[in-house]
Amino acid sequence: DAKTTQPNSMESNEEEPVHLPCNHSTISGTDYIHWYRQLPSQGPEYVIHGLTSNVNNRMASLAIAEDRKSSTLILHRATLRDAAVYYCILLAMYSGGGADGLTFGKGTHLIIQP
Amino acid sequence: NAGVTQTPKFRILKIGQSMTLQCTQDMNHNYMYWYRQDPGMGLKLIYYSVGAGITDKGEVPNGYNVSRSTTEDFPLRLELAAPSQTSVYFCASSYWFQGRKNNEQFFGPGTRLTVL
Repeated sequence: DAKTTQPNSMESNEEEPVHLPCNHSTISGTDYIHWYRQLPSQGPEYVIHGLTSNVNNRMASLAIAEDRKSSTLILHRATLRDAAVYYCILLAMYSGGGADGLTFGKGTHLIIQP
Repeated sequence: NAGVTQTPKFRILKIGQSMTLQCTQDMNHNYMYWYRQDPGMGLKLIYYSVGAGITDKGEVPNGYNVSRSTTEDFPLRLELAAPSQTSVYFCASSYWFQGRKNNEQFFGPGTRLTVL
């Protein structure tokens, strides 16, 4: 399975943008890039996903490098509620099924300073 | 919708005891999953199910069993609890069909299990 590499932790100030990097140099053409986050004492929640083009939703933006070997999750104005562990996950989308579970690494622990 | 619910929230077991972790979803999702999360680590897949009556092993299935008799419920059974099974257990569900590009999974709040 293609693996991802993320920094162990990052710190940012409240109301400032946050850029969370992820390296996935062995990504294959059928791998989608997903981001999940896990708030303290909660289950993970979906944030965003993409294949080749940059993506935006109400929670965040995803910037994908042209060669797809890296991506960046962007939180435009971080709040204290965004303090969480962020996971970058590759998920292959075969024609045969989406039964694959998510492969979680250790993720990036995002600390937000007030 | 309640989403994915799990019971109990906390449990302490003695070595060798058995228990069932309950998971229910009310979103009519066809896929359901069980993960475990050890301290400071990411989640690991234990078992998954693609529909009622169909289950399959994930990355770390040893020591666990599952069944899926209905779309809504996906219980996880521990037969002979061991200290190595001390962990937080998360159930998740998703709706997937062929051609869908996103398998967004919805997670429950977790069950914290300690085996002494």
